[in-house]
Amino acid sequence: QQQVKQSPQSLIVQKGGISIINCAYENTAFDYFPWYQQFPGKGPALLIAIRPDVSEKKEGRFTISFNKSAKQFSLHIMDSQPGDSATYFCAASMSGNTPLVFGKGTRLSVIA
Amino acid sequence: NAGVTQTPKFQVLKTGQSMTLQCAQDMNHNSMYWYRQDPGMGLRLIYYSASEGTTDKGEVPNGYNVSRLNKREFSLRLESAAPSQTSVYFCASRTGQVYGYTFGSGTRLTV
Repeated sequence: QQQVKQSPQSLIVQKGGISIINCAYENTAFDYFPWYQQFPGKGPALLIAIRPDVSEKKEGRFTISFNKSAKQFSLHIMDSQPGDSATYFCAASMSGNTPLVFGKGTRLSVIA
Repeated sequence: NAGVTQTPKFQVLKTGQSMTLQCAQDMNHNSMYWYRQDPGMGLRLIYYSASEGTTDKGEVPNGYNVSRLNKREFSLRLESAAPSQTSVYFCASRTGQVYGYTFGSGTRLTV
């Protein structure tokens, strides 16, 4: 069973627009929710992460919104730029250094 | 350069051949992981090592074996390669849950 469901699979956004990627999880024991960014031919890199004791975390143009009751979290990219074009993965893990479980990824294309 | 180094970057095998993918990190991280990435499937965990001397199966361990050689190195072995193992393989490491993974640049394997 898929523990972290990510949508959409692909997304096209105009330059300057807002990109929104959503993830949902079932396991209420998850307590760490990172987002990774991957460029073609490269390994994923940590972008931003949140724990369930806060509802929002912002780093520059990137914001995670977290809804514990709905078991959902999302990534918002403000003022999207062509350089943001990449594949984005949400993930989750439980405490105790358990491995991350990843969503299936969203391919974002930002067009001028 | 500090980070996770994977070798080789590309490999082509015939069905039934064996090979070992190498991974080394120089960040003194405790935990190391092997994932495979397939189109539309995301990143799926093959095996992991929470600390030196321990290894555990992940979501898709069949057809693979691992060795945590020391704190720095974690290798993945395919004993008898199958076409279904064609994928991009990523090694990652981290020092604890609150810290993100550092990924290597991947090995593209074609069987």
